[in-house]
Amino acid sequence: DVKVTQSSRYLVKRTGEKVFLECVQDMDHENMFWYRQDPGLGLRLIYFSYDVKMKEKGDIPEGYSVSREKKERFSLILESASTNQTSMYLCASSQPGTGPHEQYFGPGTRLTVT
Amino acid sequence: SQKIEQNSEALNIQEGKTATLTCNYTNYSPAYLQWYRQDPGRGPVFLLLIRENEKEKRKERLKVTFDTTLKQSLFHITASQPADSATYLCANSSGGSYIPTFGRGTSLIVHP
Repeated sequence: DVKVTQSSRYLVKRTGEKVFLECVQDMDHENMFWYRQDPGLGLRLIYFSYDVKMKEKGDIPEGYSVSREKKERFSLILESASTNQTSMYLCASSQPGTGPHEQYFGPGTRLTVT
Repeated sequence: SQKIEQNSEALNIQEGKTATLTCNYTNYSPAYLQWYRQDPGRGPVFLLLIRENEKEKRKERLKVTFDTTLKQSLFHITASQPADSATYLCANSSGGSYIPTFGRGTSLIVHP
C-alpha cells in the first residue's frame, strides 16, 4: 500500500528558529511536492522535485528551501521561521509517466510559530 | 493562468440523497480532472480521475462528469452517508504537466 509519512503531526517553534520538516515515501516515486494549506486559500505549492538533487520553485517559495538527497526523502526547511508561516504543511508524491499523475499525500504537519 | 473554482459554501444534504459538487475551470480545457477527499486535519486522498475525452467515470457510489463546453466537472455521491462528510477538492492538470492546480474545496455535510 502506498505510503507517505511526515516527521511530525504537530510542531511548535519560536520566531527565528530553523525548522526542518521531513517527508518520506515508500513508492519509489520520482516526483515529490511540498504544499501549505490555509483556510480560504486552499493548497499552495511551495517547492517540488522531479529527481534526486533537483528542485523547482512553486507558487510561494519565499522563506523556504528544500533538500532532496535521496529519492524517497524530501525535506522542507524554514531558515528563520516567522508567524506567517504558521500553517498545515502537506507533502505529496507522484510517479511521472505518459498518463495522469494522481498525488499521494502524507498526513500533514500542523506548524505553529509563536 | 488556469483557475479552478469550487463553491466555498458548504453543501448540506440529508442521508440517502445524492450529493453533487461542482468544479469550474477557466481558460484552456485541462487534459485531466482529479477529485480528492480531505478529512479535517488530514492529507487529501485521491478518489477519481477523468480525462478530457471521457464524459463520465464511475467508482462504486461516486460519479464524475466532465463537460468541456461548460468548462465544468460534476462530482456525485449517490446514497450519501454521514461518513461521506468531508471536504472534496478538484484538481486539474494539462497533458504535459504533472503538477495539478487545486481548487479550494467544498465541504460536504451529510445529516443522518
